[in-house]
Amino acid sequence: SAVISQKPSRDICQRGTSLTIQCQVDSQVTMMFWYRQQPGQSLTLIATANQGSEATYESGFVIDKFPISRPNLTFSTLTVSNMSPEDSSIYLCSVEDQGAVRAGNEQFFGPGTRLTVL
Amino acid sequence: LAKTTQPISMDSYEGQEVNITCSHNNIATNDYITWYQQFPSQGPRFIIQGYKTKVTNEVASLFIPADRKSSTLSLPRVSLSDTAVYYCLVKTSYDKVIFGPGTSLSVIP
Repeated sequence: SAVISQKPSRDICQRGTSLTIQCQVDSQVTMMFWYRQQPGQSLTLIATANQGSEATYESGFVIDKFPISRPNLTFSTLTVSNMSPEDSSIYLCSVEDQGAVRAGNEQFFGPGTRLTVL
Repeated sequence: LAKTTQPISMDSYEGQEVNITCSHNNIATNDYITWYQQFPSQGPRFIIQGYKTKVTNEVASLFIPADRKSSTLSLPRVSLSDTAVYYCLVKTSYDKVIFGPGTSLSVIP
């Protein structure tokens, strides 16, 4: 199973600033995903980040607001740009374990980054 | 991606068996049914996955009827530590995971 760490674990930021969240995996993975989870809500997929290609964003999310880097098979960053209080949320990194024997493949999730924008 | 429907919330007393049913009427032939568990302030965690019939592991059982249009997650003898949100998902390999609202399970002493 993949072990995922995220930095920072939490942060409080001012409106208009940007924050970059790092996601590190202990094994090489092709597919990485970034999710947002607002208080009391389910997870919403922001984008899929595959190494060697541009990230694919879901409806309602754009690259200018959430630029993503994927420099290698174990690391990715998500930047939340020009933040507003509405961006206050938990941001989670996830990877799909291609080594899993289960045909449907299993996704592993990081612990999340709790962001508060004032 | 097949859409799933499950109860928003459930309550149960400690020691009881809990069954959470999920509907997925438009499940595709290549889709697998997967359940995740999420505790507060943590990322979701894989519980169990199946394609048809019954699957059992050390945590739960998953019952899938022949038409695969629904599935039931069974948690035997729940404890307070099983209080969490449970998500039912259907997907194929390498498909993105889209979460529904999940079922918030509260275990009562």
